[in-house]
Amino acid sequence: SQQGEEDPQALSIQEGENATMNCSYKTSINNLQWYRQNSGRGLVHLILIRSNEREKHSGRLRVTLDTSKKSSSLLITASRAADTASYFCATDAGSGGSNYKLTFGKGTLLTVNP
Amino acid sequence: DVKVTQSSRYLVKRTGEKVFLECVQDMDHENMFWYRQDPGLGLRLIYFSYDVKMKEKGDIPEGYSVSREKKERFSLILESASTNQTSMYLCASSPRGGLGHQPQHFGDGTRLSIL
Repeated sequence: SQQGEEDPQALSIQEGENATMNCSYKTSINNLQWYRQNSGRGLVHLILIRSNEREKHSGRLRVTLDTSKKSSSLLITASRAADTASYFCATDAGSGGSNYKLTFGKGTLLTVNP
Repeated sequence: DVKVTQSSRYLVKRTGEKVFLECVQDMDHENMFWYRQDPGLGLRLIYFSYDVKMKEKGDIPEGYSVSREKKERFSLILESASTNQTSMYLCASSPRGGLGHQPQHFGDGTRLSIL
């Protein structure tokens, strides 16, 4: 069953604008990860945020985590055409589940128009 | 740099054939994973392995098997290919971490068509 669900399914913005994608999940987690996938390629890890963290930055990326609402957001600032890709959140199974398994959402397709 | 290599980018096979998809990682990672990705369904875990010769079923193991004889290599086997196994197959690896998960490193995928 899907643990993480991204919202929106698709997002189209102009270059230079900010893009925000959201992820909701159902059960407790140890950490949440965000990945990017360019068309026809594999996924690339972007950022990992632990359950005891509320916010994390990496370059133009900002991730927040609200464990009380079981949700996370990924903000890409000053977007570029090269940011066009699908973005996925992935969650582990928390303390009650497998130590190895990640569950991915269905992704948000971001299109950045030049 | 981290590298996960899948043997083929595109593969076309016939119904009923036995199909092997190979994945090799050069990072000495303990964990390796096979996913399939379909439009509207996202990534679904088929099998994973946390050590040589060890394997566990994922969410959709039916019709598949795996082999991990060496640490760096993880093979996905379609015992008798069917058209509903047409999909993008992604291999990934990760190091053994503590509580919670280390990032997974993905190959570029194999787009498999079963005719």
